[in-house]
Amino acid sequence: AQSVTQLGSHVSVSEGALVLLRCNYSSSVPPYLFWYVQYPNQGLQLLLKYTSAATLVKGINGFEAEFKKSETSFHLTKPSAHMSDAAEYFCAVKGSNFGNEKLTFGTGTRLTIIP
Amino acid sequence: DTGVSQDPRHKITKRGQNVTFRCDPISEHNRLYWYRQTLGQGPEFLTYFQNEAQLEKSRLLSDRFSAERPKGSFSTLEIQRTEQGDSAMYLCASSLVEANTEAFFGQGTRLTVV
Repeated sequence: AQSVTQLGSHVSVSEGALVLLRCNYSSSVPPYLFWYVQYPNQGLQLLLKYTSAATLVKGINGFEAEFKKSETSFHLTKPSAHMSDAAEYFCAVKGSNFGNEKLTFGTGTRLTIIP
Repeated sequence: DTGVSQDPRHKITKRGQNVTFRCDPISEHNRLYWYRQTLGQGPEFLTYFQNEAQLEKSRLLSDRFSAERPKGSFSTLEIQRTEQGDSAMYLCASSLVEANTEAFFGQGTRLTVV
């Protein structure tokens, strides 16, 4: 079984400041981890994924995340926030074993950018 | 190919009516998923298909819900005798078979039951 905890349902940062969105996971098998972004009334867009290769993963729009097995974490960061980053962000996990196909999502973090 | 397509984008229906949603996946993707997202929550898994076979269903998928993918291409999700609690965004996603590939999501169908 898998689960995801996203600490902080709302995060506000100033434009140009560091963005840090936290995600901790639980998985009974080695996990695959994903960050998705959702704009209002839209579907989900993949930002980046970890699939057991490099632990530091770079994604689109300047985002990156680091897989830390010892901390069961996969936090999302961006060095400098832009107004267009305002959205809802979801961390998701699925097991890497065959047949474990469903994504389990966290409850999301709404990111607000302060001009 | 423009990605996963869902129709309609919005649906308002009266309680007790039946509704059907359609999803067209990315053409080469043989896996198709349905998720439900309620306000303030992350998406929750409902069911998935590999080609035309429905391989897993969530407990969330009550007897009033049925999904099909008759020719392994598009899929439909039908809700019978809708209830107010069915109001949500219904998201479709597709992927390749390989486990380490990501799911690509459609824009969703927002259902409002009045």
